Amino acid sequence: ETGVTQTPRHLVMGMTNKKSLKCEQHLGHNAMYWYKQSAKKPLELMFVYSLEERVENNSVPSRFSPECPNSSHLFLHLHTLQPEDSALYLCASSQESVSGANVLTFGAGSRLTVL
Amino acid sequence: GQNIDQPTEMTATEGAIVQINCTYQTSGFNGLFWYQQHAGEAPTFLSYNVLDGLEEKGRFSSFLSRSKGYSYLLLKELQMKDSASYLCAVMDSNYQLIWGAGTKLIIKP
Repeated sequence: ETGVTQTPRHLVMGMTNKKSLKCEQHLGHNAMYWYKQSAKKPLELMFVYSLEERVENNSVPSRFSPECPNSSHLFLHLHTLQPEDSALYLCASSQESVSGANVLTFGAGSRLTVL
Repeated sequence: GQNIDQPTEMTATEGAIVQINCTYQTSGFNGLFWYQQHAGEAPTFLSYNVLDGLEEKGRFSSFLSRSKGYSYLLLKELQMKDSASYLCAVMDSNYQLIWGAGTKLIIKP
């Protein structure tokens, strides 16, 4: 496996379900991200982990809970979601540098549908 | 507030040239990125501009004018595989990425 791998690629869940999205990076990067992508809207940053510590939480509802057990793995735990949470959830990784040219490598995303 | 503007959709012909514009208003500037995203796939990095001018990389070029808050992505000798969404993003003074909504490029034979 190379790059950033996300599973599952597609997920359908009811509002009362609990599920998790998984992300794994094989690039040796030191930062990982969760983004939400909705049609015709800019990417929304949800969470950032740098060196396995969460450094940003952009007012994301508590029904989304991230977990970063090590520098290669990132999870997004989902609980009691709403239909408006239906979107493509993208994971990304990067090697943070002082130069600021922080190039992100994305996974192909998990398409979530909440019924 | 911070804002990135780019056209929602553009259409071009195979073999032609297309220019995708991006204008931005952000709190500071630490570079501008272009990403390509094919339908159902991961966004992939195309270019990074931090100084004014044109950066050329094969058929793709990216231009930046910091004084005008403006960038464009130029695609030459268009191929059908260039049909994709093109995302513009600016890194602000806090090194946060501000994203545009993307431009869907449709290439016709």
